[in-house]
Amino acid sequence: SYELTQPPSVSVSPGQTARITCSGDALPKQYAHWYQQKPGQAPILVIYKDTERPSGIPERFSGSRLGTTVTLTVSGVQAEDEADYYCQSTDFSGTYDVVFGGGTKLSVL
Amino acid sequence: EVQLVQSGAEGKKSGDSLKISCKVSGYSFTNYWIAWVRQIPGKGLEWMGIIYPGDSDTRYSPSFQGQVTISADKSISTAYLQWSSLKASDTAMYYCARRDYGGNWYFDLWGRGTLVIVSS
Repeated sequence: SYELTQPPSVSVSPGQTARITCSGDALPKQYAHWYQQKPGQAPILVIYKDTERPSGIPERFSGSRLGTTVTLTVSGVQAEDEADYYCQSTDFSGTYDVVFGGGTKLSVL
Repeated sequence: EVQLVQSGAEGKKSGDSLKISCKVSGYSFTNYWIAWVRQIPGKGLEWMGIIYPGDSDTRYSPSFQGQVTISADKSISTAYLQWSSLKASDTAMYYCARRDYGGNWYFDLWGRGTLVIVSS
């Protein structure tokens, strides 16, 4: 089955830039989306269709794509950005299937 | 207010049946797909399946096909996830989520989740 691979953890100091990657063979053919999940809370969408930011999401969140890898960038990280981040895409090669990456814990030191 | 309101936490025993709900408010229930996502404690997100309440078209993840049933009741703007025989391994948080109206496969609105605990 299709997989999306994320690093388990990323650590940065406040004010620095955090980059979280997500790799998958089918990513060149399908959009990727990103969710933020804080402890005890439901996920929220922070980036959709690779680079689009929903209303209400701070401008410091951005997305990019290069080949089979998409990247979520958080510029000027703040303490409130500490959370788990999940990438998500789709696999329509045989059946309808939505795939999430394993998640990355962003720690703000 | 646009929101998905999920039913409360459940404590069940192996072999029990269960149906949890996701009530929609603030938008047209029949115009958006509703998905279910599982999160085992301490683990990541897993997509289970999705339903279009307008015509009850339902798709399941291969991993969950035959294990659960997704349904919807248009008259009360509510989607459901049900099990006929729970297992301890079904212990998890279950989220409902709304799929983008434009046909893209992302989820722009989430419920707060329903915690299901199954004891053996």
